Amino acid sequence: GNSVTQMEGPVTLSEEAFLTINCTYTATGYPSLFWYVQYPGEGLQLLLKATKADDKGSNKGFEATYRKETTSFHLEKGSVQVSDSAVYFCALSGRYGNKLVFGAGTILRVKS
Amino acid sequence: NAGVTQTPKFQVLKTGQSMTLQCAQDMNHEYMSWYRQDPGMGLRLIHYSVGAGITDQGEVPNGYNVSRSTTEDFPLRLLSAAPSQTSVYFCASSYSTLGSPLHFGNGTRLTVT
Repeated sequence: GNSVTQMEGPVTLSEEAFLTINCTYTATGYPSLFWYVQYPGEGLQLLLKATKADDKGSNKGFEATYRKETTSFHLEKGSVQVSDSAVYFCALSGRYGNKLVFGAGTILRVKS
Repeated sequence: NAGVTQTPKFQVLKTGQSMTLQCAQDMNHEYMSWYRQDPGMGLRLIHYSVGAGITDQGEVPNGYNVSRSTTEDFPLRLLSAAPSQTSVYFCASSYSTLGSPLHFGNGTRLTVT
């Protein structure tokens, strides 16, 4: 079945550092890929998405490129802020677009 | 604009008790779903619905029931709570079109003793 593997956290960075959170997936067919973010005490919010190979999703300075050849969708940001501290989830949807499969989540802590 | 509203925010149950977690959305979304979030396991799909009167099982449906009598509401019922159901529960909704993002509620933290 479909699955998502994320790098384990927590990831601790200083403000303005470069961020990469790795995400790889296993899926049949051509899934859509998503990154969601969860701030403390809140539900998940969509951060960005890509629906086909080589698409780049971007939002709030975050980017991720759908790489079919490496089955990856790594999240990057050039300069993190303290306000980016949150849990980040990689997810995919298969044929039925709304049944998302989530990775385990990666905690990001940014220190000032 | 309320979005997805879940109640209660916190709940403590004893083993064997029953309860219903409420979820309502005001966005006229066709698709609604319930997930549970456990440390190190991400979110796992419990049940989902693609419209009023239609429900189906997700990855971890055992011990939970759902119904969808209206477009707006999608309650999750625990008939006989077990400690293994201690978790944070999220309701989410979206339009049914492929790639539509899920809108999440703020969650219900359930503890079963």
